[in-house]
Amino acid sequence: AQSVTQPDIHITVSEGASLELRCNYSYGATPYLFWYVQSPGQGLQLLLKYFSGDTLVQGIKGFEAEFKRSQSSFNLRKPSVHWSDAAEYFCAGYNNNDMRFGAGTRLTVKP
Amino acid sequence: IAGITQAPTSQILAAGRRMTLRCTQDMRHNAMYWYRQDLGLGLRLIHYSNTAGTTGKGEVPDGYSVSRANTDDFPLTLASAVPSQTSVYFCASSDGQGAKVKNQPQHFGDGTRLSIL
Repeated sequence: AQSVTQPDIHITVSEGASLELRCNYSYGATPYLFWYVQSPGQGLQLLLKYFSGDTLVQGIKGFEAEFKRSQSSFNLRKPSVHWSDAAEYFCAGYNNNDMRFGAGTRLTVKP
Repeated sequence: IAGITQAPTSQILAAGRRMTLRCTQDMRHNAMYWYRQDLGLGLRLIHYSNTAGTTGKGEVPDGYSVSRANTDDFPLTLASAVPSQTSVYFCASSDGQGAKVKNQPQHFGDGTRLSIL
């Protein structure tokens, strides 16, 4: 079955530190991949997407993600985290008329 | 500002009552979706509509119904609410290719927090 897995339920980083959120997918073919961010009381907002081509994708708010076919991964990164980045992050994959979301990773930013 | 509007923002409902969650978009997207979000489970698709006049079942459709009379509106109805339907409900829309769920990013509303007692 198609699935997207986010292994980390909760991550805490210090402000200014680097960040990497993990996402693994299980699909028969390479899916379209997305990262969304959800602030409290709000809906999901798209950070970036990967369809094909360059495996390093730039998104909004200084985020980037790298598609690695050999590892079935699409990890989200940011070089220096800001306190406003505290939120819930969701990875999603699309293939064959089906969109699957990961369970989410909650990011806490320490001062 | 273009986007998706959901109403109500929150609701407390007695079990057995009927409830309709409203969703309106002004982006003229063909496809619309209803998800429920539960802790540790992420988002699960309840129903979808590929285009006005058509609807389909998602991953967790039981106990819910939808209609799509026009492009802009996609209401979700709980005919007889049960406590397990306590959740946060999100409406979304998108365009793109696909006979069921479209392949383009989805735009989300701010959600309806529903508590069934």
